[in-house]
Amino acid sequence: DVKVTQSSRYLVKRTGEKVFLECVQDMDHENMFWYRQDPGLGLRLIYFSYDVKMKEKGDIPEGYSVSREKKERFSLILESASTNQTSMYLCASSFLKNYGYTFGSGTRLTVV
Amino acid sequence: QQQVKQSPQSLIVQKGGISIINCAYENTAFDYFPWYQQFPGKGPALLIAIRPDVSEKKEGRFTISFNKSAKQFSLHIMDSQPGDSATYFCAASYSGGYQKVTFGTGTKLQVIP
Repeated sequence: DVKVTQSSRYLVKRTGEKVFLECVQDMDHENMFWYRQDPGLGLRLIYFSYDVKMKEKGDIPEGYSVSREKKERFSLILESASTNQTSMYLCASSFLKNYGYTFGSGTRLTVV
Repeated sequence: QQQVKQSPQSLIVQKGGISIINCAYENTAFDYFPWYQQFPGKGPALLIAIRPDVSEKKEGRFTISFNKSAKQFSLHIMDSQPGDSATYFCAASYSGGYQKVTFGTGTKLQVIP
C-alpha cells in the first residue's frame, strides 16, 4: 500500500520557535506538495517541488520555507512560528503532472 | 482566474438519496478535474477524476458530470450511504507549466439514516 507519511499528527509549538514538518513518500513520486487546510478556505498551496533540490512557491509561501534533499522526503519549515500559522498541514505527492495526489494524514499544528 | 467555486458548503441527504455537489471554474486552460473525499482526521483521498474530452465519468455510485461550455462540473453520489459522510473537494489543474492544483472550499456531506 503506497503511502505518504507525515512525521507528527499533532504538534504544539510556541510563538517564535522554528518548526520542522517532515513528509516521506514511498512511491518514487517526482512531485511533492505542502498545503495548509483551514475551515472555509479549503486547501491552499504553500510550496511544491518537482525534483530533488528544486522548490517553487505556491500561493501562500510567506513565513515558510522547504527542503528537498532526497526524492522521497519533503520538509516544511516555519522559520519563526506565529499564531496565524495554527492550521492543518497536508503533504501530498504525485507521479506525473496533472495526475491525482496522494495525501498524508496531516499534521495539526497549534502555535501558542 | 484561478478560482474554483464549490457549492453547497454543507449538505444533508437521506440514506438512499442522491447527493449533488457543484463546482465552477474560470480558467479555460484547466484540463484535469479531480474530486477528493476527506474523512475526519484523515488526508483527502482521490475519489474520481475527469478530463474535458468526455462529458461524464462513472465509477460505482459516483459520477462526474462535466459541462465545458458552462465551465461547470459536478459530483453525483447515487444511493447515498451513511459511510459517504465526509468532506468533498473539487479541484482543477492544467497540463501547461507546473501542476498547481486549485481546490474548491469543500462540501461537508452528512447522510442520515
